[in-house]
Amino acid sequence: DTAVSQTPKYLVTQMGNDKSIKCEQNLGHDTMYWYKQDSKKFLKIMFSYNNKELIINETVPNRFSPKSPDKAHLNLHINSLELGDSAVYFCASSQPQGTGEKLFFGSGTQLSVL
Amino acid sequence: QKEVEQDPGPLSVPEGAIVSLNCTYSNSAFQYFMWYRQYSRKGPELLMYTYSSGNKEDGRFTAQVDKSSKYISLFIRDSQPSDSATYLCAMSGTGGFKTIFGAGTRLFVKA
Repeated sequence: DTAVSQTPKYLVTQMGNDKSIKCEQNLGHDTMYWYKQDSKKFLKIMFSYNNKELIINETVPNRFSPKSPDKAHLNLHINSLELGDSAVYFCASSQPQGTGEKLFFGSGTQLSVL
Repeated sequence: QKEVEQDPGPLSVPEGAIVSLNCTYSNSAFQYFMWYRQYSRKGPELLMYTYSSGNKEDGRFTAQVDKSSKYISLFIRDSQPSDSATYLCAMSGTGGFKTIFGAGTRLFVKA
């Protein structure tokens, strides 16, 4: 069974559209994240949820709205898509080890905005 | 200046070589230091995890942390073509929940 699964794997859409990416983890972790990886492979945190509560919200346009219906799921909804939103979006989960976390990533969603 | 600096490469080595990958950082609050490996079109996977300064060895991989110099390294011995991937250093401080990544170094091991 896949530990962290996200769908869809590929998403091609037009500028101005609204789209969602879904993520589920079966590791029993309390914390889930969304990361964005740009074309240069730079991985940057967007959001972090702990037990369904938002705890990190980096400087991300408010067109991006995460939702966590329960601690095993974290979805990302993006309104009014722009060309610059094209990237790979990774969901991750962790169970903090003391105060440092080991991250488990999904396989990514390649978003292409045309 | 970025919090974590990592040379993106690419780094190309022959099979069997010893590979050295490095990162520097500026935030002295970082206490946990990780290396992730990312194959093409896959998510990063945790390779090494260390706390504070010192060395950690796991098979062909050795992670070193020098907090006084704010410098971390990953060594790969007897490199194999299957080690070809992007290696990302990562670190976090106390309080958890926020890991900062380096830009990743792309490694090619030629057979």
